Amino acid sequence: GAVVSQHPSWVICKSGTSVKIECRSLDFQATTMFWYRQFPKQSLMLMATSNEGSKATYEQGVEKDKFLINHASLTLSTLTVTSAHPEDSSFYICSARRPGTGGVNEKLFFGSGTQLSVL
Amino acid sequence: AQKITQTQPGMFVQEKEAVTLDCTYDTSDQSYGLFWYKQPSSGEMIFLIYQGSYDEQNATEGRYSLNFQKARKSANLVISASQLGDSAMYFCAMSPYSSASKIIFGSGTRLSIRP
Repeated sequence: GAVVSQHPSWVICKSGTSVKIECRSLDFQATTMFWYRQFPKQSLMLMATSNEGSKATYEQGVEKDKFLINHASLTLSTLTVTSAHPEDSSFYICSARRPGTGGVNEKLFFGSGTQLSVL
Repeated sequence: AQKITQTQPGMFVQEKEAVTLDCTYDTSDQSYGLFWYKQPSSGEMIFLIYQGSYDEQNATEGRYSLNFQKARKSANLVISASQLGDSAMYFCAMSPYSSASKIIFGSGTRLSIRP
């Protein structure tokens, strides 16, 4: 089956530093990837849609200058949390859409998530 | 606007019993997809089952089945013969056909299986 790899699985950083999270589709080309944020015991909230070769589409309330998304190839999207602060501490998870017959039949496959802790 | 509602924040079930996790949704789209995902404590999201809005038969995947009642806008997940490894968070989700790239998640149900 399709596999999405997310790296790193956890990271601890100092306040003010930037952190990059990678999301790779291992056995299919993903023209679209998604980034979610999940607070403890809560659901996943979509942050942005990453489109290969074009700018990401951010959801309302998500700071695009804070959460930089780059989808430079068909198998890799990166999320960079710039100048991280303690309130950015959260679980970040990516997903990739595997092209299929189109429409809602295209299934999403998720990475294993990244736990970010900002001190 | 689309919305997914899971009214059971937590459930306890005895091992080997069947369990039903409730999910209702609201959408004005005629075509949409419904999903269930499992999230164990490790954090990964595991796809369980998919139901298309035009599918006449309820979806089944091994011990998982989706009780799809379109008129009631419900898509309950049924797990038969529950196992200890089924303990996890379960999320109901919907992808509106009008925006097939987006998937909306419910608030989740934490399922705990008792030995």
